[in-house]
Amino acid sequence: KAGVTQTPRYLIKTRGQQVTLSCSPISGHRSVSWYQQTPGQGLQFLFEYFSETQRNKGNFPGRFSGRQFSNSRSEMNVSTLELGDSALYLCASSLEDGGNTEAFFGQGTRLTVV
Amino acid sequence: SQQGEEDPQALSIQEGENATMNCSYKTSINNLQWYRQNSGRGLVHLILIRSNEREKHSGRLRVTLDTSKKSSSLLITASRAADTASYFCATGMDSSYKLIFGSGTRLLVRP
Repeated sequence: KAGVTQTPRYLIKTRGQQVTLSCSPISGHRSVSWYQQTPGQGLQFLFEYFSETQRNKGNFPGRFSGRQFSNSRSEMNVSTLELGDSALYLCASSLEDGGNTEAFFGQGTRLTVV
Repeated sequence: SQQGEEDPQALSIQEGENATMNCSYKTSINNLQWYRQNSGRGLVHLILIRSNEREKHSGRLRVTLDTSKKSSSLLITASRAADTASYFCATGMDSSYKLIFGSGTRLLVRP
């Protein structure tokens, strides 16, 4: 069974640009969550999607957005990139509703903003 | 802000020794999960313990949960050099899959 797949693995962007990251969850998983990891702030929750609906959102500015498609694949978008957006972006998928099962993470997309 | 604080921040032990990491959190939880991360790569799920459970085992891993003290511990027995990684606890609090992560413990296992 394939794991969570994130593309691309690495990305370099210039300040002011926008970026779209993609996440394909484990087959059958309907919940997809996104996290940002930086040395200073650690792992922080961005948002969670379940059945194409955003169910939860973290404390990030509106430049960060996401969506989920009918096949549960998800994308997140960051507009008007800032240097501080440089981070490892991790996607996780989970099987059941109810929030009480494991979340499985992808390898992440490392975004560098220059 | 992070829900969990982990202790110690860094731990260095000899191969074969046991490693214990602790996690404290602030609010009521549904479950607590432990993850491992190697060198800034993806997170590997280790174990999930539900709020009505007190102890769980998986191979060389033993996790305890004390909801009255809002704390959990992860014990790795007979450690190996391959266990060298960062370990994070994460708490799930409601019916969504929002996880709040701790600050992590960096474990170094010396051969």
